Amino acid sequence: NAGVTQTPKFQVLKTGQSMTLQCAQDMNHEYMSWYRQDPGMGLRLIHYSVGAGITDQGEVPNGYNVSRSTTEDFPLRLLSAAPSQTSVYFCASAEGRNQPQHFGDGTRLSIL
Amino acid sequence: AQTVTQSQPEMSVQEAETVTLSCTYDTSESDYYLFWYKQPPSRQMILVIRQEAYKQQNATENRFSVNFQKAAKSFSLKISDSQLGDAAMYFCAYRSAGAGSYQLTFGKGTKLSVIP
Repeated sequence: NAGVTQTPKFQVLKTGQSMTLQCAQDMNHEYMSWYRQDPGMGLRLIHYSVGAGITDQGEVPNGYNVSRSTTEDFPLRLLSAAPSQTSVYFCASAEGRNQPQHFGDGTRLSIL
Repeated sequence: AQTVTQSQPEMSVQEAETVTLSCTYDTSESDYYLFWYKQPPSRQMILVIRQEAYKQQNATENRFSVNFQKAAKSFSLKISDSQLGDAAMYFCAYRSAGAGSYQLTFGKGTKLSVIP
């Protein structure tokens, strides 16, 4: 079982460039979310979705866009990358709101 | 807003011994979920154990158990018979059970080293 798949695993961008981090799950989970992990900060929620066509903001949404056109995919877009967005990004999915979240392997993003 | 505090940035334990990782949280809610996640050097986030606040019985998963003290807002993780593969970052996390609540709030993590 693939579970939650994130691509790419590593990426280096220049300030001002745009980029889409991909996330796909094959478990037919309704709930998907994006977190960022910074040193000493733990994981913080960026955006989440409770189903196709429905998205909402988390704790740190500024500078990021999301969309959910299918149940399987939940891409995260950086419209104009900034050095403050250097982080490790995790996508997660869950069968329902009260179910444990399954995490992808993360994307390490560096912005110069 | 809820907060989760892990007061031990680093811990170490001898192989085969027992170690307890601490976690406290702040909330005004009565119904919620608590989790411990393990993050090995591979970076993968692995769910270790989950506790539902309305259940008084402490959750147990093989060598992992929790001590859930709701009144004290404490949720510690005990690892028995520690193994080299237990070396990792451990994150405590909170999620409200209220309608419309989806966010996991994480602590800053505890780095566990296992000494052979």
